[in-house]
Amino acid sequence: ETGVTQTPRHLVMGMTNKKSLKCEQHLGHNAMYWYKQSAKKPLELMFVYSLEERVENNSVPSRFSPECPNSSHLFLHLHTLQPEDSALYLCASSQDAQGSANTGELFFGEGSRLTVL
Amino acid sequence: RKEVEQDPGPFNVPEGATVAFNCTYSNSASQSFFWYRQDCRKEPKLLMSVYSSGNEDGRFTAQLNRASQYISLLIRDSKLSDSATYLCVVNDGNTGKLIFGQGTTLQVKP
Repeated sequence: ETGVTQTPRHLVMGMTNKKSLKCEQHLGHNAMYWYKQSAKKPLELMFVYSLEERVENNSVPSRFSPECPNSSHLFLHLHTLQPEDSALYLCASSQDAQGSANTGELFFGEGSRLTVL
Repeated sequence: RKEVEQDPGPFNVPEGATVAFNCTYSNSASQSFFWYRQDCRKEPKLLMSVYSSGNEDGRFTAQLNRASQYISLLIRDSKLSDSATYLCVVNDGNTGKLIFGQGTTLQVKP
């Protein structure tokens, strides 16, 4: 079983739809992250949760809404997205938010590939 | 200037070749440096940390040059399975966040 699992793996949605991405980590970590990976661009950090509390919101548009009900689960709620939001959305976890900055150790899920029509 | 800059490639090399990638970073306060590997349509995975004194892990050698603000990854005796995108990652010394480079794509050919 992989340490970080994401569903769905692929999602196609219209601009008026509402959908959610789900992430679950089985590693006992205290920090979880959402990253966006677009073609030819570096990974962009979107949100960071530490012990279920949001500690980072990187000027992400409000059409992306994260939710962390407990330390093992992370959601990204999507509504009224734009075609330029099409990308691979990666969830990651680490032992703690500060520690990962020093060890560099993030454990990623395989991602949810989103296409907005 | 980008915070972390890499040549996207692709680097096409024959099996057995030695190949090196460089990465430059803009924040002189950065303290920690890493290389990640991302296979096609897969998630990034930590390959190795980069220490001030340089470090080696089998066929992979990572080096840091603080004065010039670049790090490098050297792969010796390339294998087909080394084909992937290699991401340079730098700890932003001011915010503590990990900043990812765009990645360098390596294709090892038979």
